[in-house]
Amino acid sequence: NAGVMQNPRHLVRRRGQEARLRCSPMKGHSHVYWYRQLPEEGLKFMVYLQKENIIDESGMPKERFSAEFPKEGPSILRIQQVVRGDSAAYFCASSEGVRSGNTIYFGEGSWLTVV
Amino acid sequence: AQTVTQSQPEMSVQEAETVTLSCTYDTSESDYYLFWYKQPPSRQMILVIRQEAYKQQNATENRFSVNFQKAAKSFSLKISDSQLGDAAMYFCAYRSASRGGTASKLTFGTGTRLQVTL
Repeated sequence: NAGVMQNPRHLVRRRGQEARLRCSPMKGHSHVYWYRQLPEEGLKFMVYLQKENIIDESGMPKERFSAEFPKEGPSILRIQQVVRGDSAAYFCASSEGVRSGNTIYFGEGSWLTVV
Repeated sequence: AQTVTQSQPEMSVQEAETVTLSCTYDTSESDYYLFWYKQPPSRQMILVIRQEAYKQQNATENRFSVNFQKAAKSFSLKISDSQLGDAAMYFCAYRSASRGGTASKLTFGTGTRLQVTL
């Protein structure tokens, strides 16, 4: 049973370009979460999605950031017009069902470097 | 809003010894879940142990155990017989037990870096 799969693992973008990070949840999981980890800091919640729906985006920056989880295919975290401050590790996680007790499993992260 | 505090930025333990990592949290809820995650140099987030707040019995997973003090809002992690592979960042996390919605997210502490020495 494959875990949460993220790609790319490492991504380098110039300032002003777009970054797209993809996440395939664990088999049987329909809930996806995105977290950001800045250097030397803990993980900060960004957004929680179920298939075709954004449930909680309270941690998403108001501009340039968007996320989707389509009916078919992986979840996508999109960052437009990247700036140096966007350089971070972006972790995707997934869980099954609707009970909050379900454990959240993390992917290996995608490292974005903005030059 | 819930907060999670880890007051020890760094800890060190000798191989085969025992170490305890501290975590406190603040919440007005009575039902919730607490977790410890490990982040080794590979940066992957690995679940170490989980505790349901409604259970009085402390969770145990092999060499890892917790001391859950609900009244004090304390959730410490004890690592026994420490091994070199235990060296990592350890994050304490909180999750509400409310059904779905905004309660589903994890709130993390700032982490404790554990060094294991020979």
